[in-house]
Amino acid sequence: DAGVTQSPTHLIKTRGQQVTLRCSPKSGHDTVSWYQQALGQGPQFIFQYYEEEERQRGNFPDRFSGHQFPNYSSELNVNALLLGDSALYLCASSSRQGLVAEQYFGPGTRLTVT
Amino acid sequence: AQKITQTQPGMFVQEKEAVTLDCTYDTSDPSYGLFWYKQPSSGEMIFLIYQGSYDQQNATEGRYSLNFQKARKSANLVISASQLGDSAMYFCAMRDRYGGSQGNLIFGKGTKLSVKP
Repeated sequence: DAGVTQSPTHLIKTRGQQVTLRCSPKSGHDTVSWYQQALGQGPQFIFQYYEEEERQRGNFPDRFSGHQFPNYSSELNVNALLLGDSALYLCASSSRQGLVAEQYFGPGTRLTVT
Repeated sequence: AQKITQTQPGMFVQEKEAVTLDCTYDTSDPSYGLFWYKQPSSGEMIFLIYQGSYDQQNATEGRYSLNFQKARKSANLVISASQLGDSAMYFCAMRDRYGGSQGNLIFGKGTKLSVKP
């Protein structure tokens, strides 16, 4: 049973560029959430996708956008990169079937903006 | 506003001993869920244990137990018989009030646990 997978593992971009991060949820999960974890901090919620729509959003600017595909996989796009966007980006998946939607996390994508 | 506070930036414990990691939370909702995650240096967040606000008993999962004191708004993680592989960052989290069972998680800043041989 494959867990949550993310790609790429590491990424280096220049200020002003755009980046796309990818996530495949755990088998049987239909909901994908994205988190940003700056160095030395806890993860912060970016947004959540279900049925190909953004359902919840945290306090992040419009430069952060996403998409969910019919197979439940998801992408996180960040435009006009800033140095402060350097962080570990975590994807988490869950299922709306259970009463307690435990979120399973992927290994993350470490983004460095220079 | 909902908030998670972890006041211990770092902790040391001798192998095979028990350790308690502190977590306090703030919420005005009567119904909420509390989680503990482990994050090794590889980066992946590993779910450890869950406690619902209406659960009568403290949650336990193997060597992990949650010392839930509702009146004090604390949800401390107890790891018994520490192992070298327990060395990692530990995060306490609360489910956001919006979104019901699918609500996003609000994390504390974490505690770095180091297990000494």
